[in-house]
Amino acid sequence: TQLLEQSPQFLSIQEGENLTVYCNSSSVFSSLQWYRQEPGEGPVLLVTVVTGGEVKKLKRLTFQFGDARKDSSLHITAAQPGDTGLYLCAGPTNAGGTSYGKLTFGQGTILTVHP
Amino acid sequence: DADVTQTPRNRITKTGKRIMLECSQTKGHDRMYWYRQDPGLGLRLIYYSFDVKDINKGEISDGYSVSRQAQAKFSLSLESAIPNQTALYFCATRRTGGVEAFFGQGTRLTVV
Repeated sequence: TQLLEQSPQFLSIQEGENLTVYCNSSSVFSSLQWYRQEPGEGPVLLVTVVTGGEVKKLKRLTFQFGDARKDSSLHITAAQPGDTGLYLCAGPTNAGGTSYGKLTFGQGTILTVHP
Repeated sequence: DADVTQTPRNRITKTGKRIMLECSQTKGHDRMYWYRQDPGLGLRLIYYSFDVKDINKGEISDGYSVSRQAQAKFSLSLESAIPNQTALYFCATRRTGGVEAFFGQGTRLTVV
């Protein structure tokens, strides 16, 4: 079973601070995704990383895929209250005879940024 | 209008009752999924379907059943609801060969 473990589970910081969220597995993933979920809404995709060692930037968010494609990190620079939400990593896993038909999620990281 | 629509958005039901949660999508995707979300547990897969004739159990299918009535519709049923099925339920779609999953807004179910 391919599992994804996220840390930390909770993060409460002040506006302007930097933070990093980690997503780790003992299994190799063909790609990893990061989603953000706001209260009352479903998760929305932020980014997909595909190549080992890949780094992608989305404004103040930096996403990195580990060289061995077993882990990923999300770094936020100068966090703002609007960054508050639940961050989820996810990766495709095998489903029956169809490759990568399922999407497995980590437990999520609840980020609160205080003004 | 939302691409993935779930109904109802909120539901309170009694233990032992049968309840159906519905999901419809306008994205034209073949793959549809039902997830359950509990605090600290992320999203756990209940059932998934790759087309109308293909239904598969996920990690936590006990106590649930599904029906794929059409490419665009995928419903989740709780035959006899119990309190530990109280959770937030999400429907999602994916294009075959695609990476991104598109989620509905969720159904908050409370079993009393």
